[in-house]
Amino acid sequence: QVQLQESGPGLVKPSQTLSLTCTVSGGSITSGSYYWCWIRQPAGKGLEWIGRIHGTGSTNYYPSLESRVTMSVDASKNQFSLKLSSVTAADTAVYYCARDLPGSGAFDFWGQGTGVTVSS
Amino acid sequence: QSALTQPASVSGSPGQSITISCSGTSSDVGGYNYVSWYQQHPGKAPKLMIYDVSKRPSGVSYRFSGSKSGNTASLTISGLQAEDEADYSCCSYAGGSTWIFGGGTKLTVL
Repeated sequence: QVQLQESGPGLVKPSQTLSLTCTVSGGSITSGSYYWCWIRQPAGKGLEWIGRIHGTGSTNYYPSLESRVTMSVDASKNQFSLKLSSVTAADTAVYYCARDLPGSGAFDFWGQGTGVTVSS
Repeated sequence: QSALTQPASVSGSPGQSITISCSGTSSDVGGYNYVSWYQQHPGKAPKLMIYDVSKRPSGVSYRFSGSKSGNTASLTISGLQAEDEADYSCCSYAGGSTWIFGGGTKLTVL
C-alpha cells in the first residue's frame, strides 16, 4: 500500500518561497508510469491542482501558477518537492501530495495534507 | 481555466438517492472521459470514489456511480447512509496535461 506524507514549514512570510516535501513509502517514486502531484485547498474552498512530476523529472504545472512553481524529485530519498515563490496570503491553504493514476488522471493515493499560512 | 461548477449543497434522507452535478465546458468535462470524484470528510484527505467518468476503485461501494452527458458529469449515491455525509468534489482533465477541480458540494444526510 502506497503512503504519502507531506512535510514543511507551516508559516511562510509574504514574498518568500514556500517549500514542501512529500515522502513516498510502499513503492518507488521512479517505478512505472506514475506521476506525483501537488494539490491545495484554501480553507472553506475547493481543491486546486498545482502540478505534477514524473519520476524522470518531467513536469506539468497549472497555467496560472506556472511562473512561480518548481517541482523536483529526489529518487535517493523517495521524495518529491514543491517550491512556490513570491507567496501571498492567497497561497494560504492545506497542501496535499497525491499519486496520479496512470492513464486516467485520477488521484488514487493522498497524503494527509499540511497547512501552510502566509503571514508576516 | 475556470473551476468546474458544482452545487454548494445537496441533501437527502437515509435510503434515498441523490445526484451531484459537475458542469464544465467542451475543453474539459465534455472533451475527455477523464472525470473523477472525491469524497472528503472534515479534516481528512480526499478519497477517490469514481474515475474515468464511471469506474469505481476497488473497495468503493456499488452505491456510488458516475455518468456524463455533454459538458456535465454526475455522481449518484443510492441508498444514502449517514457515513456518506461529506464534501464531494469533481475533477476533470483540461487538456495540456492539466487538471481542474470543481468547487465542492456539501452532502447532508437528514
